Formats: sequence, structure tokens, C-alpha cells
Amino acid sequence: EAQVTQNPRYLITVTGKKLTVTCSQNMNHEYMSWYRQDPGLGLRQIYYSMNVEVTDKGDVPEGYKVSRKEKRNFPLILESPSPNQTSLYFCASSFLPNTGELFFGEGSRLTVL
Amino acid sequence: GQQVMQIPQYQHVQEGEDFTTYCNSSTTLSNIQWYKQRPGGHPVFLIQLVKSGEVKKQKRLTFQFGEAKKNSSLHITATQTTDVGTYFCAGPRGSQGNLIFGKGTKLSVKP
Repeated sequence: EAQVTQNPRYLITVTGKKLTVTCSQNMNHEYMSWYRQDPGLGLRQIYYSMNVEVTDKGDVPEGYKVSRKEKRNFPLILESPSPNQTSLYFCASSFLPNTGELFFGEGSRLTVL
Repeated sequence: GQQVMQIPQYQHVQEGEDFTTYCNSSTTLSNIQWYKQRPGGHPVFLIQLVKSGEVKKQKRLTFQFGEAKKNSSLHITATQTTDVGTYFCAGPRGSQGNLIFGKGTKLSVKP
């Protein structure tokens, strides 16, 4: 089954404690992206990757890091989480970056205290 | 910078009424996509429109892409409670090769 898998689905953490949200896709997609969703603000892009070892900033990259060492994985790293990073995070992938279906993971709800 | 705007932000309808959401881009788009997010769920792709003036139908849903390829609409005929959710449009961000999303229209349907 074609899917994008994110972990963890839910996490409560404290300010400053490094965390990683993993994302893996099994569709051999070249393009992967991270979004955060906040009430009234829609989906805002954090980082995206066109291919292995190619990453670029989206609209709200501050406080986040990513890496793309393998085609299937695109982890999101919060080196020192802060309360303003409390949000719902979605990983997504597609064969091409701007055309064709974008497949989303089920989301990771992160709370930073 | 490039913007994709959606209106309305919220829409409450009685079951059986029609619903329309509108999407406007500040720039010409090569294509536009629509997604639906059910409450507590993740966005799911509905359709992509590519041609100027294109109209596509999926059962009770009708999607249109404007002649100038800067606007689009999604119309639902005779809404049902299963239509509840947030509808997003998205278009390519210039030459950067990624999608920019509108803020979405949240639809609620009263049975």
C-alpha cells in the first residue's frame, strides 16, 4: 500500500529537548516536504527536498532542520524546541514537486511545554 | 511574494444546500490542485486542473480553472454530512518547484 508514515503521531515535550519526527515513504518519490498546520494559518511549508542530499527552505524554516540521506526518509529535527513550535506537522511526498498528487502522512501533533 | 487566497474561510450550510469555495492566485499558475482534509485527518488529493477554462466533475463536485489560470473554484451540489472538512487549493510556487497552499475553507454541514 502506497503510504507516507510519520512518527511519532503525538508527542508532548519540554522546551529545549531535542526531538526528531521521522517521515518515510514507500513510493520511490523524489520530492518530499514538511508542513505545519496552525488554526487560521493553513498549511505552511517548513522545508522541502527535491532529491537525495537536496533540501531547501520553505516559508517557515526557523528552528527546524532536515536531512535527506536516503530517498525514502526525510526526518524533521527540532534542535531546541520552543512553545511556538507547538503545532500539527505533516510530511508529504510526490513524484514531481509541483504537479501530480501530493501524498500526506497522517500527521504528528507536537506540544512543547 | 506569490500568494494563494481562498474565500470564504468558513461556510456553514444546511444539508442539501450547495457550497462553493474560491481560490485566487497573485500569479498565473501552470496547474492548480484541490485537497480535502476531514476533521482530525490529513489532506487528501482531490483533483488537478491544468488547462485554461478547464471544468472537471467528480459526482457532486465541480472544479473550474479560470481562463487566465489565476483562479479556481470548487462547487459542491446538494451537500451531505460526508462533505464536512476543510478544502484547500494549491498551486506551484513560481520556478521553485513546490506547492503553495491557500488557507482553506472549512465546511460544516448541518443535518
